[in-house]
Amino acid sequence: SQQGEEDPQALSIQEGENATMNCSYKTSINNLQWYRQNSGRGLVHLILIRSNEREKHSGRLRVTLDTSKKSSSLLITASRAADTASYFCATGPNSGNTPLVFGKGTRLSVIA
Amino acid sequence: GAGVSQTPSNKVTEKGKYVELRCDPISGHTALYWYRQSLGQGPEFLIYFQGTGAADDSGLPNDRFFAVRPEGSVSTLKIQRTERGDSAVYLCASSTLAGDTQYFGPGTRLTVL
Repeated sequence: SQQGEEDPQALSIQEGENATMNCSYKTSINNLQWYRQNSGRGLVHLILIRSNEREKHSGRLRVTLDTSKKSSSLLITASRAADTASYFCATGPNSGNTPLVFGKGTRLSVIA
Repeated sequence: GAGVSQTPSNKVTEKGKYVELRCDPISGHTALYWYRQSLGQGPEFLIYFQGTGAADDSGLPNDRFFAVRPEGSVSTLKIQRTERGDSAVYLCASSTLAGDTQYFGPGTRLTVL
């Protein structure tokens, strides 16, 4: 079963625009992670935010976490055609080695 | 350094056959995970190893699926009597002892005809 729900399921924007993707989850978490996947193959880890953090930045990525609403958002600023991919949120229920629970993903298309 | 590798990258088999999928984790990573991803879905957990032992196999769908990691490094996912519904991309990931970040391999696309 999948805990996370990404919203929207698909997003199409022009190059240079910002892209915002949202994730909601159901149970308590230790951390939430965002991954990118190109062409349905390996996932690339983007950023991890812990349950006691509210916002985190990495380059053009900004992630927020609201544990009271059980939701997170991923913002990609100044998008590029190379950002076209599927983006997944994944929750880690505990610290350390535990399986991740993934959502269904948002398919982002950045048009040049 | 080398990332997680998986072989084969693609596997086509016939219904009822036996298949083995291999995962080579990042050197030194003690935790290894198997996930399965169907078209249009996110990855779903199958099993994970801490060292040589399966710490959690609750995601395995039935007893046709089995995985081993005999020396605490390479892992093999074994599927007996394959069914068409087993068709998916099988992803492997590894992490350090206390690591939260999992590093994924490129996956094996399994097609059961």
